[in-house]
Amino acid sequence: RKEVEQDPGPFNVPEGATVAFNCTYSNSASQSFFWYRQDCRKEPKLLMSVYSSGNEDGRFTAQLNRASQYISLLIRDSKLSDSATYLCVVSLSGSARQLTFGSGTQLTVLP
Amino acid sequence: DAGITQSPRHKVTETGTPVTLRCHQTENHRYMYWYRQDPGHGLRLIHYSYGVKDTDKGEVSDGYSVSRSKTEDFLLTLESATSSQTSVYFCAISGILQETQYFGPGTRLLVL
Repeated sequence: RKEVEQDPGPFNVPEGATVAFNCTYSNSASQSFFWYRQDCRKEPKLLMSVYSSGNEDGRFTAQLNRASQYISLLIRDSKLSDSATYLCVVSLSGSARQLTFGSGTQLTVLP
Repeated sequence: DAGITQSPRHKVTETGTPVTLRCHQTENHRYMYWYRQDPGHGLRLIHYSYGVKDTDKGEVSDGYSVSRSKTEDFLLTLESATSSQTSVYFCAISGILQETQYFGPGTRLLVL
């Protein structure tokens, strides 16, 4: 079983739609959680951290459910520019050696 | 954008040849990392550095070595390239918060 699992998609949604991605992690001792975004043939970029209480950044909302060991990302009012692969990242501690990247969920926003 | 460059950006080589990839940063960050990214896998850590001449192995370090003689440069060497090392290689940097990483543009390596 992979340590961090994501539905690879692709998710194809129309502009303006709301879309949600889930990610599950296997190690209950995981402490920190993040979403990164990766455009096609580009480098990953940090989108947002995920806090226990949930957090929002504009159209993006991240939620953490420790009991069920899953993380979610909600994108409201999708834009064409949101088309990318979204990587779920989980950390056991602050060390990069214990940072695990999911293989990503691909999103395409259609005009 | 963080000042990270990688060279070369693309390389085709033959099995058995040595290959060195370079990562250069202008941010004066302490931590530097090398990852590989393959279809169906997340980014996997190869090696990382926590200071000049201080390096450690990651999850998939076999067949790779690294060196860091200056803060700004982190080199990844494939001593004898194999086809299984065909991949996209990303360098990353971070400050004290190792989980918050900034990635370079990547190097696409094809080993024939």
